[in-house]
Amino acid sequence: AQTVTQSQPEMSVQEAETVTLSCTYDTSESNYYLFWYKQPPSRQMILVIRQEAYKQQNATENRFSVNFQKAAKSFSLKISDSQLGDTAMYFCAFPRSPYGGATNKLIFGTGTLLAVQP
Amino acid sequence: DTAVSQTPKYLVTQMGNDKSIKCEQNLGHDTMYWYKQDSKKFLKIMFSYNNKELIINETVPNRFSPKSPDKAHLNLHINSLELGDSAVYFCASSPDRGSGNTIYFGEGSWLTVV
Repeated sequence: AQTVTQSQPEMSVQEAETVTLSCTYDTSESNYYLFWYKQPPSRQMILVIRQEAYKQQNATENRFSVNFQKAAKSFSLKISDSQLGDTAMYFCAFPRSPYGGATNKLIFGTGTLLAVQP
Repeated sequence: DTAVSQTPKYLVTQMGNDKSIKCEQNLGHDTMYWYKQDSKKFLKIMFSYNNKELIINETVPNRFSPKSPDKAHLNLHINSLELGDSAVYFCASSPDRGSGNTIYFGEGSWLTVV
């Protein structure tokens, strides 16, 4: 069964510092996608970053980057120069569907609540 | 312009009532979804439609009935509401049904059953 685990229910970071949120997953597929979504207090689910497993290079979006370790099945999110607006719940997500499959069932981890302190 | 919009955003209703949540996307996507987020923030897929065709139907009570009049709209009707139905319901869409597509979410509809 495919699962997604986020072992840090809550984290705190000072403004301008760097923080890393961890995510591990389990799959028997050789190729797949991985996602990080954020959910600020407004509740909107917003895509932060997307990674394709066959790509060696870690995905980067401005201050957000991932450390993708395929062998270890680890997909951590690094936030550099943290800003107050980064305060949110962060969810790691993984499609419970075969790569290239005809349905797209995202399964989500339990989330990490990140608080950025001024 | 909101890409995925859903109404109402907040809904408080009594047990036993029937209610609907409407969703529209203006992204030109083929595939739409309903996700449920419970009080512990756990998100789980309920349904997915592709071009008006139901393609994902998770283990959801049959009191929940989705309807897609066209590929830009996906509504959720809930009969005989129960306390346990209290949750945030998210509508979402993706370009097509393929695995790995980015899913774009609406702002959520917060349903409280009293």
